[in-house]
Amino acid sequence: ETGVTQTPRHLVMGMTNKKSLKCEQHLGHNAMYWYKQSAKKPLELMFVYSLEERVENNSVPSRFSPECPNSSHLFLHLHTLQPEDSALYLCASSQLRGENTGELFFGEGSRLTVL
Amino acid sequence: QQQVKQSPQSLIVQKGGISIINCAYENTAFDYFPWYQQFPGKGPALLIAIRPDVSEKKEGRFTISFNKSAKQFSLHIMDSQPGDSATYFCAARGGSSASKIIFGSGTRLSIRP
Repeated sequence: ETGVTQTPRHLVMGMTNKKSLKCEQHLGHNAMYWYKQSAKKPLELMFVYSLEERVENNSVPSRFSPECPNSSHLFLHLHTLQPEDSALYLCASSQLRGENTGELFFGEGSRLTVL
Repeated sequence: QQQVKQSPQSLIVQKGGISIINCAYENTAFDYFPWYQQFPGKGPALLIAIRPDVSEKKEGRFTISFNKSAKQFSLHIMDSQPGDSATYFCAARGGSSASKIIFGSGTRLSIRP
C-alpha cells in the first residue's frame, strides 16, 4: 500500500445510523486532515491533526467526531447525520517541516449518502 | 478576506488550445499558491505551485502567472490535451501550516478532441 488509503469508498446510511470513515497514510507524514467536498463548493477543511494536536473548524457540527490514534491513522465517526451531509469526504496528509510544507496528499475519498 | 475566488466554473477548450483559469484573493498574508488537479473518482493532487516573490512558474505545459499587486493568479495549460480534462482547484496558504490552505470552488475543464 502506498499514499493515502480511505475506506469505505462508498457508504449509504440512514439518519439514525452510526458509522465511521477510516484513513491510513503510508507516507510518514506528521499531519492528517479531513476535508468535505460538495458539488460546486470549495473544499472545506473539517479537522486537522498535527503532532497529535487537534485543530477544528468551529462550523463543523458535533455529529462529526474525529479520532487520530497515531500519526498514520485517522477516523471520522458519523452519527445522526442529515441528508445535507451527503458529500465526498477526503482525507489528506502532509509533512509540516521542510521545503515541501503545504503540499497535501489526498486519498480517493469516501462518497457518503445520507438517506 | 479568507476567500479565494475562482473562475470560470467550467471551461471547454479544443485540443491544442490554451486553457486559462483565474483566481483572486484578498488576504495579503497568503504566502503560497498551489494548484490541484482532480480526476473523476480520485482525490486532488498537487499540480504546480508558486510563491509570491516570483511572477511566473512553468512546468512543462503548465504555467502559473502571478500578479501580486492585483492579488490575482492564473493557470495556463498550453497545447491542451484530452488527458487534461479534470477539475482544477486553486488554493492559497496563509502561514506555515498546511492547515490554513483555502481552496477555490474549482473549474471543470473539458478538452474536446
